[in-house]
Amino acid sequence: RKEVEQDPGPFNVPEGATVAFNCTYSNSASQSFFWYRQDCRKEPKLLMSVYSSGNEDGRFTAQLNRASQYISLLIRDSKLSDSATYLCGKYNFNKFYFGSGTKLNVKP
Amino acid sequence: GAGVSQSPSNKVTEKGKDVELRCDPISGHTALYWYRQSLGQGLEFLIYFQGNSAPDKSGLPSDRFSAERTGGSVSTLTIQRTQQEDSAVYLCASSPTLGGATDTQYFGPGTRLTVL
Repeated sequence: RKEVEQDPGPFNVPEGATVAFNCTYSNSASQSFFWYRQDCRKEPKLLMSVYSSGNEDGRFTAQLNRASQYISLLIRDSKLSDSATYLCGKYNFNKFYFGSGTKLNVKP
Repeated sequence: GAGVSQSPSNKVTEKGKDVELRCDPISGHTALYWYRQSLGQGLEFLIYFQGNSAPDKSGLPSDRFSAERTGGSVSTLTIQRTQQEDSAVYLCASSPTLGGATDTQYFGPGTRLTVL
């Protein structure tokens, strides 16, 4: 089983919609979790870190469920500029693991 | 301040040639990571340097791949006798702490390697 798994999508949503991605992970000892955003042919950039049950930053909310071993990312009021690939990552024992990414297309 | 830089940004080489990819981490960052990303795929961990400790090489796909980090700063990833399946974007990332639970990675722009 992969360390981190994500639905590759694509998720095609209209502007203004709310969209949620889930990411499951193995190894319950994983220490911390991240969401990165990656634009086409660009490097990943940190969107949010998730250390406890979750956190919110503007239109973005990340939640962690350790019992079920998944994290989620909720994007409210989607903008065209939110179109990108969202990579889920986790950190344990000095190593980072990433999922394959979920592609989001926000359409006018 | 300056972010992670990588060079070259693009490299085209012939099958069988050796290539060297360079990474300059953010100044003061003690941890440095190399990843590989094939088209439409996630990040594949290759190697990890942490301060002066022996590197974690568990992700290197074959003995044609090696990396070193000189003076705890600049790192070079070397691929010997390149194969077409080595074609990918090679990303370097650095992080500021000694690998604590709140560590965060910052990525460089990557080197796009094409093996003909």
